Amino acid sequence: DQQVKQNSPSLSVQEGRISILNCDYTNSMFDYFLWYKKYPAEGPTFLISISSIKDKNEDGRFTVFLNKSAKHLSLHIVPSQPGDSAVYFCAASSLQGGSEKLVFGKGTKLTVNP
Amino acid sequence: DSGVTQTPKHLITATGQRVTLRCSPRSGDLSVYWYQQSLDQGLQFLIQYYNGEERAKGNILERFSAQQFPDLHSELNLSSLELGDSALYFCASSISGRVHEQFFGPGTRLTVL
Repeated sequence: DQQVKQNSPSLSVQEGRISILNCDYTNSMFDYFLWYKKYPAEGPTFLISISSIKDKNEDGRFTVFLNKSAKHLSLHIVPSQPGDSAVYFCAASSLQGGSEKLVFGKGTKLTVNP
Repeated sequence: DSGVTQTPKHLITATGQRVTLRCSPRSGDLSVYWYQQSLDQGLQFLIQYYNGEERAKGNILERFSAQQFPDLHSELNLSSLELGDSALYFCASSISGRVHEQFFGPGTRLTVL
């Protein structure tokens, strides 16, 4: 059972436009959400996060929105740049049984065209 | 460069064999995590160690085991390998053990033939 879903395997946008990456989750116990970016032959790197008590977090060109009632979060990149081309993973965590674990989605490959 | 190192970078072996993957965390980080990324899959959490002790366990097979040594490096042992074990294996580390402070290594690509 996939608790974190990224239903779009890929997304292509023009440079300068907005990129919107979506993520849905099923476990209402998740209390922290993260986005990671991954380039080929590298490990994931942390991009931005949001606590479940917030509905928006912004860091430069990157904004994450959380809709708890819909169990949905999205990552907005404005403006998109060719260097943003990478695989983006959505992840969620919860503290259960005294331990905290990250659950990842399968990723969305973003291509930003010059 | 995240500061987390993993060796080897690539590993090709045969079914039934045993391999050891090694991870050196960032300087000062006490916690090490192991993840598996199979083809077209997200990262699956395997296991976490904190200062030498197992802290959390995920979907780790009984054929797999891990440990964290006094110098804080960690090893993931995979035995009786099957074709389906072919994957990228990532190690991550954090100073506090909080998952949202993890830094990932570049991964080890394991191919089982």
